Amino acid sequence: KNEVEQSPQNLTAQEGEFITINCSYSVGISALHWLQQHPGGGIVSLFMLSSGKKKHGRLIATINIQEKHSSLHITASHPRDSAVYICAVGLGGADGLTFGKGTHLIIQP
Amino acid sequence: EPEVTQTPSHQVTQMGQEVILRCVPISNHLYFYWYRQILGQKVEFLVSFYNNEISEKSEIFDDQFSVERPDGSNFTLKIRSTKLEDSAMYFCASKSRTYEQYFGPGTRLTVT
Repeated sequence: KNEVEQSPQNLTAQEGEFITINCSYSVGISALHWLQQHPGGGIVSLFMLSSGKKKHGRLIATINIQEKHSSLHITASHPRDSAVYICAVGLGGADGLTFGKGTHLIIQP
Repeated sequence: EPEVTQTPSHQVTQMGQEVILRCVPISNHLYFYWYRQILGQKVEFLVSFYNNEISEKSEIFDDQFSVERPDGSNFTLKIRSTKLEDSAMYFCASKSRTYEQYFGPGTRLTVT
């Protein structure tokens, strides 16, 4: 069974700061997902990674398969980035995802 | 852009009652999932469904739970006799052959 650990659990930063959220997992995977959850509860998929690095706007996600570790970076953070960021891993096919506990991010103006 | 939809957005029910949560996955997707999130806790996998049958289920998905794809569009989760501890947000997700899952907005189930 895969164990997914995220750090930090809570992060408060000032607008404009560079943000890094980390995720590590215990068992080899086919893909890792970064998800965003707003206070209303809905989950939005930000990235799906199986290797390397992806960038979308101010968000960058990297994964190191050998070290079983991924990072999510936010550049020029903004109060609207405030949300819970969740790391989830899966083996592909019909396999369900295993989720981390999430990182609660608050960006203050 | 196609999206996964779920109804109702909020369901309140009494302990012991049956509830059916409904999901409409993205139309050309092949894999379907239910997850739940108890308030303040992490999201947990319940069940996956592929080719008209359950592919995988977690230990949470006991005999009180069932899933169906009654027609070509809906995917339902039934809880036969709800318990207080079933109160949670339930998310449906679907995907095509790629790895990316698309999540619905969730149904908040409150059992009183």
